[in-house]
Amino acid sequence: DAKTTQPPSMDCAEGRAANLPCNHSTISGNEYVYWYRQIHSQGPQYIIHGLKNNETNEMASLIITEDRKSSTLILPHATLRDTAVYYCIVRVASSNTGKLIFGQGTTLQVKP
Amino acid sequence: EAQVTQNPRYLITVTGKKLTVTCSQNMNHEYMSWYRQDPGLGLRQIYYSMNVEVTDKGDVPEGYKVSRKEKRNFPLILESPSPNQTSLYFCASSSRGAFGTDTQYFGPGTRLTVL
Repeated sequence: DAKTTQPPSMDCAEGRAANLPCNHSTISGNEYVYWYRQIHSQGPQYIIHGLKNNETNEMASLIITEDRKSSTLILPHATLRDTAVYYCIVRVASSNTGKLIFGQGTTLQVKP
Repeated sequence: EAQVTQNPRYLITVTGKKLTVTCSQNMNHEYMSWYRQDPGLGLRQIYYSMNVEVTDKGDVPEGYKVSRKEKRNFPLILESPSPNQTSLYFCASSSRGAFGTDTQYFGPGTRLTVL
């Protein structure tokens, strides 16, 4: 599974868009980009995933560059409850172990 | 409500006293997994199960056992807990049917302290 690089921390003002970047320059053609978040020691929560097209759901949007070497998770209107550690994970869709490799992630602090 | 439940949520025990952490999911998922989370080490997979009666070791299986007798349950067993197993444990499950959509659902966590 490809490695990812994320900034360790970011701040965002409440109500503004939060844009969380992720670099995955060694991603393979069959690897997806997944985003999970973990709110203070709770279980990680799935947010969104994509292969090469941009994706949007009720929680967020995922923008993947054309060369697939980086992506951005967008929380359109961040709230205080979005304060969490956000993990960008790259892996094949149905791996042999199902394992998710959580790196250090980005700690997003949403401020009033 | 679709969910993964774990019990207990908090446990303090002593070295060598066998314990079981239960995990149950109500989504009819084939795949289940256990992770532990430690400061600076992130989440690491302990064991996983592709389906009933099928289990396999993850990255850090030493000192742990699991069983999968029913689809919904995947208990984590510590036969002789030691202080280095003090950690935050998460159970996860997913449906592995559709390509590209096996998102995982995590339980709320079990914080274990072994004295």
